[in-house]
Amino acid sequence: GENVEQHPSTLSVQEGDSAVIKCTYSDSASNYFPWYKQELGKGPQLIIDIRSNVGEKKDQRIAVTLNKTAKHFSLHITETQPEDSAVYFCAARWTGGGNKLTFGTGTQLKVEL
Amino acid sequence: EPEVTQTPSHQVTQMGQEVILRCVPISNHLYFYWYRQILGQKVEFLVSFYNNEISEKSEIFDDQFSVERPDGSNFTLKIRSTKLEDSAMYFCASSEGTYTGELFFGEGSRLTVL
Repeated sequence: GENVEQHPSTLSVQEGDSAVIKCTYSDSASNYFPWYKQELGKGPQLIIDIRSNVGEKKDQRIAVTLNKTAKHFSLHITETQPEDSAVYFCAARWTGGGNKLTFGTGTQLKVEL
Repeated sequence: EPEVTQTPSHQVTQMGQEVILRCVPISNHLYFYWYRQILGQKVEFLVSFYNNEISEKSEIFDDQFSVERPDGSNFTLKIRSTKLEDSAMYFCASSEGTYTGELFFGEGSRLTVL
């Protein structure tokens, strides 16, 4: 089955700096890669996603890049703000897997003032 | 904005007891899921459900677990005889479709088994 590795497990940045979180996946048939933000005591919220036919996608301060050859994808947050502090999960889904998502282990992002 | 709602938010139970966790998916969604997150760990897939039957389940989803859509709005997860290791946050999710549909998660039900 699919395996998703995520790093770093914790990331601390100064407000206004950029944050980058990286994930690798094992199944080359994976074709959909969402990123979720989970605030304390809440469920994962989709913040951005990318499909395998696209190399990069941007939404305001958030961007995701995908390298299919290397089987890795990254989340980039620019101009970080304290409200960006949360746990971020990457996930992958493969064509034959219905909508079953395999999640990474999560990154605790802390944006310090 | 439509959302997935879950009840209860927190349930404490004794080992061996039955637990039912309830979810109301987004109304026009056709696919429903349960995921589990043990404290401090990643979110893990349990089961997916479509057209009143299970479409896929993980090895975690053994005979102690069952799902049901008893009416047009609710989607339930039942754990027949809870074990200590069932303590986790259980998330319900729904999507409009499978291969193209985004998953929307509820806020979770925290289960504590004593």
